[in-house]
Amino acid sequence: QVQLVESGGGVVQPGTSLRLSCAASGFTFSNYGMHWVRQAPGKGLEWVAAIWRDGNTKSYADSVKGRFTISRDNSKNTLYLQMNSLRAEDTAVYYCASQVATGDWGQGTLVTVSS
Amino acid sequence: EIVLTQSPGTLSLSPGERATLSCRASQSVSSSSLAWYQQTPGQAPRLLIYGASSRATGIPDRFSGSGSGTDFTLTISRLEPEDFAVYYCQQYGSAPYTFGQGTKLEIK
Repeated sequence: QVQLVESGGGVVQPGTSLRLSCAASGFTFSNYGMHWVRQAPGKGLEWVAAIWRDGNTKSYADSVKGRFTISRDNSKNTLYLQMNSLRAEDTAVYYCASQVATGDWGQGTLVTVSS
Repeated sequence: EIVLTQSPGTLSLSPGERATLSCRASQSVSSSSLAWYQQTPGQAPRLLIYGASSRATGIPDRFSGSGSGTDFTLTISRLEPEDFAVYYCQQYGSAPYTFGQGTKLEIK
């Protein structure tokens, strides 16, 4: 069955960087667009970024544009989110998800930005 | 950016009752690219509806979605105890693919 497993979360200081990974299995990863969505503690869902199947077309929320980079390696069935210049307001559980109609989401990885 | 406004913020109902949740967009959502999710505490969101009215795999038929353009509705025909949760709408017709702020469905 489909599995999306995020990793790479942790506690970091403001201004530093972190890279999240999402390992996909159970489906043909290269055929699907992928997304990152986050949820701050006690708050709602916020869409962060998307990448198209071929990896060449990407889109970002204004709140992360210029700081975060989404990428994928279709040979490794893995999605990435490079997060630079992290801020306290980036603290959240980060979910990876396949394109919307599939309904496939990971269980999330927690990123805490704190001094 | 398309802003989605969900109403009400909180809905208090009893099991067996009918629930109607609203999602209004600040501009037309292209191709009815509107999804509904259910989230319970500590869990990832669960897709209920995509394409405004198509039920996702395994979703009971008491859940239905309707609407087009700027006004969308999620209806739960007869509430079961497991339906009390937070519900979000999301538009995925044009980036950024925004979410509504959520509706909390609580037991009365």
